[in-house]
This record gives sequence, structure tokens and C-alpha cells, in this order.
Amino acid sequence: NAGVTQTPKFQVLKTGQSMTLQCAQDMNHNSMYWYRQDPGMGLRLIYYSASEGTTDKGEVPNGYNVSRLNKREFSLRLESAAPSQTSVYFCASSGGLAGVLGPDTQYFGPGTRLTVL
Amino acid sequence: GDSVTQMEGPVTLSEEAFLTINCTYTATGYPSLFWYVQYPGEGLQLLLKATKADDKGSNKGFEATYRKETTSFHLEKGSVQVSDSAVYFCALSDLGGNKLVFGAGTILRVKS
Repeated sequence: NAGVTQTPKFQVLKTGQSMTLQCAQDMNHNSMYWYRQDPGMGLRLIYYSASEGTTDKGEVPNGYNVSRLNKREFSLRLESAAPSQTSVYFCASSGGLAGVLGPDTQYFGPGTRLTVL
Repeated sequence: GDSVTQMEGPVTLSEEAFLTINCTYTATGYPSLFWYVQYPGEGLQLLLKATKADDKGSNKGFEATYRKETTSFHLEKGSVQVSDSAVYFCALSDLGGNKLVFGAGTILRVKS
């Protein structure tokens, strides 16, 4: 049981390049999330998917797109990277029926550190 | 909208000192409240949670009590260790329970 996995761990892009961050969970969770973490600002929600087949904007969606490929996988795409998108990106999931922690407890991946030059 | 305010850090303590990290919130309804911890280079892990007023969450010697009257969820530990050095995030669940709103995080540094 790997939990939430993210690839890659590190990435350096040049301004204008595109890339996709991958996320997968093996906990049979319904909901998945993408956050970015910047110093002094906590975690800000980019997009989320409450269930397979649905996606919704979070607090900071501009410059990003997402795909909920199936129940397990939720990818984040940067179409034309900008230096302002330099950040650490976290994927999370929630909504499992099992366990004592409840369906609103989110489980996080290890993060992707992205630098845009 | 919903929001969470945490005390600013960094907080620097000596080993075995008492820890308090303040957290207050603004929310519609009665959200669940959470403390997450992030160790260097890692993702966030749930430390503890409380789902209703007067509930106390506890884990690894940390405690926090859901205080509806003061809209607070302060994190406490009686005796910190060097291994507790991390960033601590207070969070609440939104009305639908689908999303979390995070505070800015508080860096804790414990010296031996």
C-alpha cells in the first residue's frame, strides 16, 4: 500500500515549456487535490476532483489544467510555464470509507519541487 | 469565506520545553479541525483532528481542543524533542467536507 505517489520529485523548466505532474493513489479514495506550497503562504488549492469524471477550480487555477484519468490518477498540466509557478506541488486524496480518520482527512504525496527559469 | 490564522514563526524552543502554537479560525457551520505536520523534505501528515466542539484530538504527545466559543484549536505538547522540529499547519474542512483550508504554517525548531 503505497498511499499517494507523485512523479517526478524534482523538475527544472524553462519559461514557456510545458509539463505534466502525475499523481496516483491506491486507497480507493473518491476525491483528489492539487496544491502548491509557497513560503509563508501555506498550501493553496489549485484544482480538485470530488469524484471520478469531475474537476473544479480551487483558489489559484490560472495557468494550470487537470485531468482525472480514472479513480486512481489525477494529473496537473502546466501548458506554458512561468517563473511564478516555481513552487512545491502536492497531490492529496480523501474520501475513503475505511479507517477511523474519517472521509474528510486528506492524505498527501511527497511533493514535486518545480523550478521555472 | 472560511479562513485559518496561525501564530507566526519560527518558534524556537529548547528540548523538553512546553509548546503552544495558536490557531484560530473563521468558518460557516461546524467544520472539522486538523493539525498537519511536515518534516523537512516530506509531504504533510495528519497529526490530529477533532470533529466537534470540546473534542480533544491527541497523537504522539500533542493535543488540541476544539473550542467553539473562542473559535480556536491551539496545539500543545508538554515536552518537545529535537525530532519534533517541523512545520505545523492548522486546517479546517469546508462546509461540504470536500476541501481543506490551511493556515500559513508555523516553523518549529527545537534545540538540544
